[in-house]
Amino acid sequence: EAGVAQSPRYKIIEKRQSVAFWCNPISGHATLYWYQQILGQGPKLLIQFQNNGVVDDSQLPKDRFSAERLKGVDSTLKIQPAKLEDSAVYLCASSLDGGTGNQPQHFGDGTRLSIL
Amino acid sequence: AQSVTQPDIHITVSEGASLELRCNYSYGATPYLFWYVQSPGQGLQLLLKYFSGDTLVQGIKGFEAEFKRSQSSFNLRKPSVHWSDAAEYFCAVGPINDYKLSFGAGTTVTVRA
Repeated sequence: EAGVAQSPRYKIIEKRQSVAFWCNPISGHATLYWYQQILGQGPKLLIQFQNNGVVDDSQLPKDRFSAERLKGVDSTLKIQPAKLEDSAVYLCASSLDGGTGNQPQHFGDGTRLSIL
Repeated sequence: AQSVTQPDIHITVSEGASLELRCNYSYGATPYLFWYVQSPGQGLQLLLKYFSGDTLVQGIKGFEAEFKRSQSSFNLRKPSVHWSDAAEYFCAVGPINDYKLSFGAGTTVTVRA
């Protein structure tokens, strides 16, 4: 099966600019996650979607970050305006259900964001 | 709150030697436990997972992990490493019947010839 697709792979912007990332989950996966992975750290969950509804966005900095999952398939994550501390790899993952039981999360290759 | 500690930031091992990566977790009950591997420039790939039952879990690429409840540990092992095992390894814990994974900071494995 095709894996989780993300684009772009790399992005360099200046602080205060805006940026958007795209994710296409594995076909049939109802749950989609966005993680932020800062250099030297493990991934941190930003937001979780179940179909096209938000399940958990408690760790999403809502003053600058937004995400949507229209039609319950593809998703976009946006940062506006970007800050230096947003430099990280943004990982998208998907799972058949809520990521528990026998349905683990499958990760894309990520988008590496550098803020100048 | 759940947390995961990977005490070793970086491990160097010779090709063909054995490898053990440590993982300790803090959680009020028995959680779901996972090991993921991340090669440079790539996403995380699931190596193995523990939900219940046999405490010794077999995974892909010749890896295994042992859950020790008394020590709150879930250490990853491989009897003989290959150069392709050079990567970063993440231990993660998730509550039963919940989705929220907490990841450790990772252990970088370097394999020398």
